[in-house]
Amino acid sequence: DTGVSQDPRHKITKRGQNVTFRCDPISEHNRLYWYRQTLGQGPEFLTYFQNEAQLEKSRLLSDRFSAERPKGSFSTLEIQRTEQGDSAMYLCASSETGTVYEQYFGPGTRLTVT
Amino acid sequence: TQLLEQSPQFLSIQEGENLTVYCNSSSVFSSLQWYRQEPGEGPVLLVTVVTGGEVKKLKRLTFQFGDARKDSSLHITAAQPGDTGLYLCAGDSNSGYALNFGKGTSLLVTP
Repeated sequence: DTGVSQDPRHKITKRGQNVTFRCDPISEHNRLYWYRQTLGQGPEFLTYFQNEAQLEKSRLLSDRFSAERPKGSFSTLEIQRTEQGDSAMYLCASSETGTVYEQYFGPGTRLTVT
Repeated sequence: TQLLEQSPQFLSIQEGENLTVYCNSSSVFSSLQWYRQEPGEGPVLLVTVVTGGEVKKLKRLTFQFGDARKDSSLHITAAQPGDTGLYLCAGDSNSGYALNFGKGTSLLVTP
């Protein structure tokens, strides 16, 4: 299966700790997206990479959040000094250049901040 | 932000029944996607519609894009328990890359 993969699937952390999530997109996709989904809501856009360049960050992404995509392959999303409000499902998606809005999602990382 | 409103929010039906869920907006979209999401999993892309009035069929699922490209519907014929899940519609945003999602319709099909 060559779909989008995410690791870990679940993460429980204490408030104030740092966490890092990894996303491996579909290999031929050069665009990668991070979204966040809370209970009862649809996914909300966080940030977007085209190859290794981070081209947009949502206002939802505070200074405690940072994302990277070294060499335009996998991506990491780090949250520093986690807060209880950061508890959510973090979703990664990827797409080809020609079909930007046909985004394929990974299984997500469920973060619980206690 | 181009808002997408989905209705109904919840739907519980018995196996074999037909149903339609709706996705509406006051904004025009160049494309609209439908996803199905199961608990604890990421959304799975079902279909993309791009042309006003377009109808696409995926087995027992029929998707329609409104003529004005502001709304869409998903019709399921003879629902099965395997159709249970959260159905999300998503449209292109003005950004050129981010998807705007509705809150979804949570469907439960009981045997």
